[in-house]
Amino acid sequence: DQQVKQNSPSLSVQEGRISILNCDYTNSMFDYFLWYKKYPAEGPTFLISISSIKDKNEDGRFTVFLNKSAKHLSLHIVPSQPGDSAVYFCAGIYNFNKFYFGSGTKLNVKP
Amino acid sequence: IAGITQAPTSQILAAGRRMTLRCTQDMRHNAMYWYRQDLGLGLRLIHYSNTAGTTGKGEVPDGYSVSRANTDDFPLTLASAVPSQTSVYFCASSETPNQPQHFGDGTRLSIL
Repeated sequence: DQQVKQNSPSLSVQEGRISILNCDYTNSMFDYFLWYKKYPAEGPTFLISISSIKDKNEDGRFTVFLNKSAKHLSLHIVPSQPGDSAVYFCAGIYNFNKFYFGSGTKLNVKP
Repeated sequence: IAGITQAPTSQILAAGRRMTLRCTQDMRHNAMYWYRQDLGLGLRLIHYSNTAGTTGKGEVPDGYSVSRANTDDFPLTLASAVPSQTSVYFCASSETPNQPQHFGDGTRLSIL
């Protein structure tokens, strides 16, 4: 049973518009959530994180929102750029070593 | 360039054979991890090590073993490979547990 779910396998957005990537989780014990970005034939790279005690964290064009009551988080990318085209994974962590990743959403930003 | 090196980049292996995937990091990170990535399932944690000399089981440890004799190296061994272990394997490290991880570029392993 997946504790972190990304129900949209793909998303297509026009350059300059907002990209919204969604993630749902079932485990209320997660302490942190992270977003990773992955290009083909490369390992994932860390993008942004949020503590479970926060509801928003912003870093440049990337903002992560956490809704604990709905067990939902989202990553907003504004404005989207073609270089943002990649697979995005969300992950939840608890007890230091319990990492659970979603299945990923492939973002395509069209020029 | 500092980072994580995985070897080999890809391998085709007969079922029943023993295989060790190598992982080396030069960032002096305390924690290291092994994941497998399968279509539709994302990354699943196989084993982890919080610091040299210690290891722990992740979500899918069966059929795999690890060792952490020093800070830099964290090899993953398949004692007797089975086709269900066909996957892409990623090694990762972090300065301390609970920190964002740095990933290697992966090893694509096919078991026939």
